[in-house]
Amino acid sequence: DQQVKQNSPSLSVQEGRISILNCDYTNSMFDYFLWYKKYPAEGPTFLISISSIKDKNEDGRFTVFLNKSAKHLSLHIVPSQPGDSAVYFCAASYTGANSKLTFGKGITLSVRP
Amino acid sequence: DTAVSQTPKYLVTQMGNDKSIKCEQNLGHDTMYWYKQDSKKFLKIMFSYNNKELIINETVPNRFSPKSPDKAHLNLHINSLELGDSAVYFCASSQASGNYGYTFGSGTRLTVV
Repeated sequence: DQQVKQNSPSLSVQEGRISILNCDYTNSMFDYFLWYKKYPAEGPTFLISISSIKDKNEDGRFTVFLNKSAKHLSLHIVPSQPGDSAVYFCAASYTGANSKLTFGKGITLSVRP
Repeated sequence: DTAVSQTPKYLVTQMGNDKSIKCEQNLGHDTMYWYKQDSKKFLKIMFSYNNKELIINETVPNRFSPKSPDKAHLNLHINSLELGDSAVYFCASSQASGNYGYTFGSGTRLTVV
């Protein structure tokens, strides 16, 4: 029962171009969404988040877009850099006691120099 | 000054053994978690503790027993290890349960042979 889906296992882009990572969710209760970045042999690190009351949040080269009606969010990285090569996890949670983050299975991004 | 530290980083053991993984956070967070990343790369929550109290137990076999001696520590003890327990186990903490980003440890790769 995957409530958070990242259907593309990998993405390869040229340095300087835009990377678009997609994520879909099924649980209508989710109201907070996050992206995590993970390098090999390290734990995931928080990248950017968005609340369901917004449809866009931007932080430097990273922008997250949320389409609630489609239950879809995306992470845009512009311009992409080789150091962005990592696994990106989409995660979601809902407001309430004992809430938890539910993760997708991740997308491996490779940025070619 | 590691925020969330877990030990050991690698653990190789035989079927049937009992082992423990330790986790400590120095962020002053109230909530700690154990996540498992299996061979399919999904990050799935196992347990969550808030101020030493168990608040989430995601139908994990009772061979897995978390222990929280204080809110800065959450250890995971596994009895009678099985081949299927091989995975990467991540400890994480957050300011409170709910819509807060988690800080993850670097993971413990458990291999059962």
